[in-house]
Amino acid sequence: EAGVTQFPSHSVIEKGQTVTLRCDPISGHDNLYWYRRVMGKEIKFLLHFVKESKQDESGMPNNRFLAERTGGTYSTLKVQPAELEDSGVYFCASSQLAQPLNEQFFGPGTRLTVL
Amino acid sequence: ELKVEQNPLFLSMQEGKNYTIYCNYSTTSDRLYWYRQDPGKSLESLFVLLSNGAVKQEGRLMASLDTKARLSTLHITAAVHDLSATYFCAVYLSNYQLIWGAGTKLIIKP
Repeated sequence: EAGVTQFPSHSVIEKGQTVTLRCDPISGHDNLYWYRRVMGKEIKFLLHFVKESKQDESGMPNNRFLAERTGGTYSTLKVQPAELEDSGVYFCASSQLAQPLNEQFFGPGTRLTVL
Repeated sequence: ELKVEQNPLFLSMQEGKNYTIYCNYSTTSDRLYWYRQDPGKSLESLFVLLSNGAVKQEGRLMASLDTKARLSTLHITAAVHDLSATYFCAVYLSNYQLIWGAGTKLIIKP
């Protein structure tokens, strides 16, 4: 069974540009999460989808970040316009809705560098 | 403020030695996770600890949870090079969020 995949693995862009990150969760997982680790600090929660609905987006830093999950399958996270402080590793995770432990399975992350 | 503090943040040790990573947290929670990350790879779930006094072991790693003290430990016994990685603890909130420690980078020298 394929795990969580993320694309691209690395992205280097200039300040002011737009970048779109993609996450494909494990098939059948209704929960999808985005996290970010900036500059070797703690991993921080960004948002949580249940199917196509945003369940919790309390961790989104500002309105330059837009996440979507049309159709309840893959998700995209768009940063527009990117700022220097957006650099970091963006992780996606998924879990089954009814799984009692809510074990979250993570992708390898997208390393974003904003110059 | 919700906080999860891990220490040490960096640990270099010799093969064959024992050591413990500590994870203190500031909120009540009914579960705590330990993850491992190898460079450039996914975060891999190691343990889920669900109750006070829970202890789980897998190979040379053993994790425990004391919910009263809000403390979890990850103990490494007779370390081997393959255990070199970054280890994270994460506390589960009832709204599905995970609150993470900063990670402990573990280097085990042959």
